[in-house]
Order: sequence, then C-alpha cells, then structure tokens
Amino acid sequence: GAVVSQHPSRVICKSGTSVKIECRSLDFQATTMFWYRQFPKKSLMLMATSNEGSKATYEQGVEKDKFLINHASLTLSTLTVTSAHPEDSSFYICSTQGTSYNEQFFGPGTRLTVL
Amino acid sequence: ILNVEQSPQSLHVQEGDSTNFTCSFPSSNFYALHWYRWETAKSPEALFVMTLNGDEKKKGRISATLNTKEGYSYLYIKGSQPEDSATYLCAFKTGGLSFGAGTTVTVRA
Repeated sequence: GAVVSQHPSRVICKSGTSVKIECRSLDFQATTMFWYRQFPKKSLMLMATSNEGSKATYEQGVEKDKFLINHASLTLSTLTVTSAHPEDSSFYICSTQGTSYNEQFFGPGTRLTVL
Repeated sequence: ILNVEQSPQSLHVQEGDSTNFTCSFPSSNFYALHWYRWETAKSPEALFVMTLNGDEKKKGRISATLNTKEGYSYLYIKGSQPEDSATYLCAFKTGGLSFGAGTTVTVRA
C-alpha cells in the first residue's frame, strides 16, 4: 500500500498560535486525502475531505476557518490549526485514498498539545 | 455521524488462546466495512475491506466475517500471540470512514 508520512509527530504550542501539520504521500499521487481527529478514548472522527486543487469538504460541526486545509499538490496536504486553544489539543491523523475507492492508507498521526 | 460501535472496549487474552470481538454498524446504505490494526506510534494497518454480505476474509491467524443485513462484523484471532496486541478498529465507508472506538487486545505471554 501507499506510504504516508506526517510531520511533526508531536507539537506543543501556546494558546493563540497557529500550527501547521503536513501529510505527505511518499510513493503515491493522492488526489484525495482525509483528515481525522481523535479525542481521548474516542474513535477517529472525520474532519474533512481534501481534494487536490480544490476546496476541502468539511464535516458538520468542523469549523473551516479554524482548521484550514490546503491540498496544493498530489503528494502534500496540510492542516493548519489557527489560533489554537487547549480544547484543540488532540491527535490528528491523515489518510490518502488509494487507487481503489475502498483503499485508505494512514499516516502515523500528530499529537497536538496546546498550553 | 454514523453510529459504529465496537465491543468489548478491551480484552486480555492468554497466549495461544483464540478470541473474537464485534463491530456493529448501520445496515442501510452499506458500501464497505474496513478493519484496521493499530499499534501505538504507528500508522493504522489495513487488515480487511469487506463488501459482500456473508463475506469471510482471512489473513494469517486473523479472520473476519460480515453480515450486512443485521449490521455486524466479527474479527477473530486464532492462537493469539503477543505481537497481536494492538487496537483493532472497524470503520464504515461513506466517502471518508466512520470509525468505531476500537477494541484493544492485550495478549499475555
């Protein structure tokens, strides 16, 4: 399957700052990428679907101005958490859709802690 | 938000024993059910993608069954080994994936 990397793996930031998380598809041209968030002891929740060259589609309840997604190339999607607050502290993980609609390959995730 | 539930939340298994756990999902508008194996600090690893009612898939000592009419899937681990310790996630496909909270399996040597 496709290899997906995320950077950084962990980040700690101060409240009010913005944090950018990168998701790279290393060996596969990813037209579609997905961003998920995991709350403590909860399941992964889909935040948005990112399509290369177009605007991301956000799930209900996810603030698009808070979580900016850019998918400018077939190998890179970025998630920027703007004006981060402690409640944004979470585990963020991305995935790419493979050649088949049913395939999804995940990155290792990013742990964000906002102080 | 689709309701995908997994049970139990966690279980402990003695090495060599077999075990199984469930995933329940909406039975309407079914497209596909995914199973992933997730170890700490690693990427979730795809185990199975199941699409047909009555499907049964196998990968080594791990197998899964699917009942789309009643909305459940079972994952079985035969002869558990310590390396099987992980969180097993199921997910319902609707564009992105709607995940259950996972079943964390700990295999004791």
